[in-house]
Amino acid sequence: AQKITQTQPGMFVQEKEAVTLDCTYDTSDPSYGLFWYKQPSSGEMIFLIYQGSYDQQNATEGRYSLNFQKARKSANLVISASQLGDSAMYFCAMREGQGAQKLVFGQGTRLTINP
Amino acid sequence: EADIYQTPRYLVIGTGKKITLECSQTMGHDKMYWYQQDPGMELHLIHYSYGVNSTEKGDLSSESTVSRIRTEHFPLTLESARPSHTSQYLCASSPPGAKPNYGYTFGSGTRLTVV
Repeated sequence: AQKITQTQPGMFVQEKEAVTLDCTYDTSDPSYGLFWYKQPSSGEMIFLIYQGSYDQQNATEGRYSLNFQKARKSANLVISASQLGDSAMYFCAMREGQGAQKLVFGQGTRLTINP
Repeated sequence: EADIYQTPRYLVIGTGKKITLECSQTMGHDKMYWYQQDPGMELHLIHYSYGVNSTEKGDLSSESTVSRIRTEHFPLTLESARPSHTSQYLCASSPPGAKPNYGYTFGSGTRLTVV
C-alpha cells in the first residue's frame, strides 16, 4: 500500500502567488517524521522542511510552511510568494519510528512557476 | 559545497559491461543509502547500510550489489548492465544518533544510460 500519496502530478502557478502542494500519508506508528524535498532539473535533492508527529506547531522555514493535519494524515507544503526558481519537482517523504532511518517517498509534484 | 560525492555524474555504457557507481561522504555519517529514480518519478530505496560491513536490500528489488568496507565509501556495482538499468541513482547519508528532524544529505546523482 502506498504510504505517501501526492495527488497532483503537475501544478502551474503565477509568479508571486502562494501555492499548496498536497501530501497524505499512511502509518500506524505514533512516532514518525515528514519531510519535503525539492529536486531541480539538475537532479539533486534539496531538503526543505520537516514536521515531527509530536510537534505541536506547524513547521516553517522562510517561505516554506507545512500545514500539518494529523487527524487527516496530511502534510501539505505551502510556498508563499512563489519565484521562478521554485520551478522543480517536489517530493513528500516519511520516516517511521524513532530508530528507523529509511525515508519513503511520494510520487512527486512538478511545480511550474509562470512569469 | 557538497559533503557527499557521486561519480560519475553521467554514464553511457554498453549492455553487458560491469560498472561501479561511486559514493563518498566526508561527514562521518554511519548510515548510507542508494535510491533509484526514473525520470520524473518517485525515489525507491534499493540498498542501505547502517555502518561498516553492514548492507541490506531496500524496498525495491535490484540486481545491483553494494559494499561498505569504509565508513565514508558506499559503492554500487552492476555486474552486467542492461537497458532496464537505465535510471538515476542517488546516494544519501544520515548521521549517528540522528535528531528526528535530520533528513538525508543527498549526492548529485549518477544518470546511467545502458545502450
